[in-house]
Amino acid sequence: SQTIHQWPATLVQPVGSPLSLECTVEGTSNPNLYWYRQAAGRGLQLLFYSVGIGQISSEVPQNLSASRPQDRQFILSSKKLLLSDSGFYLCAWSVIRGIQYFGAGTRLSVL
Amino acid sequence: AQRVTQPEKLLSVFKGAPVELKCNYSYSGSPELFWYVQYSRQRLQLLLRHISRESIKGFTADLNKGETSFHLKKPFAQEEDSAMYYCALNAGGTSYGKLTFGQGTILTVHP
Repeated sequence: SQTIHQWPATLVQPVGSPLSLECTVEGTSNPNLYWYRQAAGRGLQLLFYSVGIGQISSEVPQNLSASRPQDRQFILSSKKLLLSDSGFYLCAWSVIRGIQYFGAGTRLSVL
Repeated sequence: AQRVTQPEKLLSVFKGAPVELKCNYSYSGSPELFWYVQYSRQRLQLLLRHISRESIKGFTADLNKGETSFHLKKPFAQEEDSAMYYCALNAGGTSYGKLTFGQGTILTVHP
C-alpha cells in the first residue's frame, strides 16, 4: 500500500536560519507531488507542485523553494527564514487527478 | 483563475439535526469538485468527489452548475462528524491535478 512520510513533525527555527522539510512517498511511482501551507481561517494554499524529477512549479512568490531529487522525494527549503514563514506545511501525492493523499504535516515556528 | 468559497468558518449543530456545509466556486470551464475532511489528530483525507455521485458516511454533495455550488449535506449529523471540512476544485485539463481549496468550515456536532 502507499504511504507518505513527512518530517519533522514540529520545528522551531530562528529568523534567518535555513530550512529543509522532507517528504517521501512509498508504494507508487511517478506521483504528482505538492507542498501546501495551511493557515487558520485561510485554508490550504498550494506552494509548489511537481510532475516529475527536477520539475518544480511555484504557485506563489515567496521565500521558499522546492526540489525533487528523486521520484518519490520532495523537499521544501529556505535559505533564510522569515517570521512570516511560520505555519503548518503539508505534503501530498496524487496519481489520479484531484485525489490527493496528505502527510501528517510539519508545524514550523520561526522566532 | 478559479476560486472556492466556503462562507461559514464555523458551523454548529446538534446530534440528529440536518447539516449543510456550503461551497461556491468560480471557474469558467468544467471543474471537478471534491470534499476533503480532517478529523482531530488525523490527516486530511478525501471524503467524496462529485463524479462518483456516492454517499460517504451519510454525506452527499451535488454539483449545481447553475448556482456554481457544491454543498455537502447529511440528514442526521453524528458527533463523529465533527471535523474541519474543505471544498476543493480541480480545473481539469493540464492542471496537473492541482486543487484549489476553500477556507474550510469547522463543523461541531453537539450531543
